[in-house]
Amino acid sequence: DVKVTQSSRYLVKRTGEKVFLECVQDMDHENMFWYRQDPGLGLRLIYFSYDVKMKEKGDIPEGYSVSREKKERFSLILESASTNQTSMYLCASSSTGTSFDTDTQYFGPGTRLTVL
Amino acid sequence: QKEVEQDPGPLSVPEGAIVSLNCTYSNSAFQYFMWYRQYSRKGPELLMYTYSSGNKEDGRFTAQVDKSSKYISLFIRDSQPSDSATYLCAMSANNQGGKLIFGQGTELSVKP
Repeated sequence: DVKVTQSSRYLVKRTGEKVFLECVQDMDHENMFWYRQDPGLGLRLIYFSYDVKMKEKGDIPEGYSVSREKKERFSLILESASTNQTSMYLCASSSTGTSFDTDTQYFGPGTRLTVL
Repeated sequence: QKEVEQDPGPLSVPEGAIVSLNCTYSNSAFQYFMWYRQYSRKGPELLMYTYSSGNKEDGRFTAQVDKSSKYISLFIRDSQPSDSATYLCAMSANNQGGKLIFGQGTELSVKP
């Protein structure tokens, strides 16, 4: 079974703090994604990565950066946390291949971040 | 206009009812369609994966794709309280492990 783990389930930070959210997957997947999920807005893609040291902006990258130094690990960084970044953050991974369901993304349990 | 539209609900049904969840989309290039289920305070998990038009059945769940109408559905038969969750549709054009386009999710509650 694919396993995607996230470093924290709940996190409380203060405005202006630098915040690191870590995601690790154990299936040797090439692709990794960071989303935020808010009531009424659904899942919104922040950043994604197709390979180590590669990153691409998603739909809402402002205020975020990412790092992928190893294939299994994808980090989301909030350089200076703000209250409007209070949200549920979800990490996902997928493979690059030719199987029927290559597009399947496997999600972690999520980190609920509160910025005060 | 969003690429994928999904009624957010909430939808409340009695146990045993047949549930119909739907998404419409605008991009005719979409060929791969997924339904995810997300329990409260958990990450989404894949429920059904279909390609192109037609039906796919898995136990009490049936996924239906009508590409001519750009409309996909998920039917749940004999719904159970354990089916209470948010259901998200997702789709892509090329099945290469890249970006998915998600619907907003429909919150379903099945009452005993």
